[in-house]
Amino acid sequence: IAGITQAPTSQILAAGRRMTLRCTQDMRHNAMYWYRQDLGLGLRLIHYSNTAGTTGKGEVPDGYSVSRANTDDFPLTLASAVPSQTSVYFCASSDKGGGGYNEQFFGPGTRLTVL
Amino acid sequence: GQNIDQPTEMTATEGAIVQINCTYQTSGFNGLFWYQQHAGEAPTFLSYNVLDGLEEKGRFSSFLSRSKGYSYLLLKELQMKDSASYLCAGMDSNYQLIWGAGTKLIIKP
Repeated sequence: IAGITQAPTSQILAAGRRMTLRCTQDMRHNAMYWYRQDLGLGLRLIHYSNTAGTTGKGEVPDGYSVSRANTDDFPLTLASAVPSQTSVYFCASSDKGGGGYNEQFFGPGTRLTVL
Repeated sequence: GQNIDQPTEMTATEGAIVQINCTYQTSGFNGLFWYQQHAGEAPTFLSYNVLDGLEEKGRFSSFLSRSKGYSYLLLKELQMKDSASYLCAGMDSNYQLIWGAGTKLIIKP
């Protein structure tokens, strides 16, 4: 693989179900991010991780959790999905160590519908 | 608070020039990014400005004025494939990106 992959590509989910969105990068980037993108709104940061073993909350973390057990993987879990979590989810990564420059590289996205 | 403002939609003609403006307010400032996003696809990096002035990269240029909290993306010799959304993002004091809602650019023949 090259770059960032996300799985699944799309998913329809019943409200109340648990769901994990997967994200894997092979660029050895230290920082990873989860965003949601909704029509008319900018990308909103859900959670981030500056390095393996650490995570932080973004702008809209409620209802979501993440883990960063290693450099490559950054899964996002919805413990009990609600319709307001219907969105397109993008995972991104960056080599954030060098002087703060933070060009982010994005995965192809997961389109999630919660009914 | 932190805020990024850009127009919702713009229309331009193939072969013409278009300027997409962005104003920003961030807690601290460490640079301004522009990304391109085609419908149904991921955002891809276009440019980064941290110093005042114009950065030129082929048909695309980006300008920054730190004193005015203002940036623009200039697209020349427009092609149909330039139809996309253009996202402005400011980098705050924690090196996190604050994103605008994007400007949808429609190119007409």
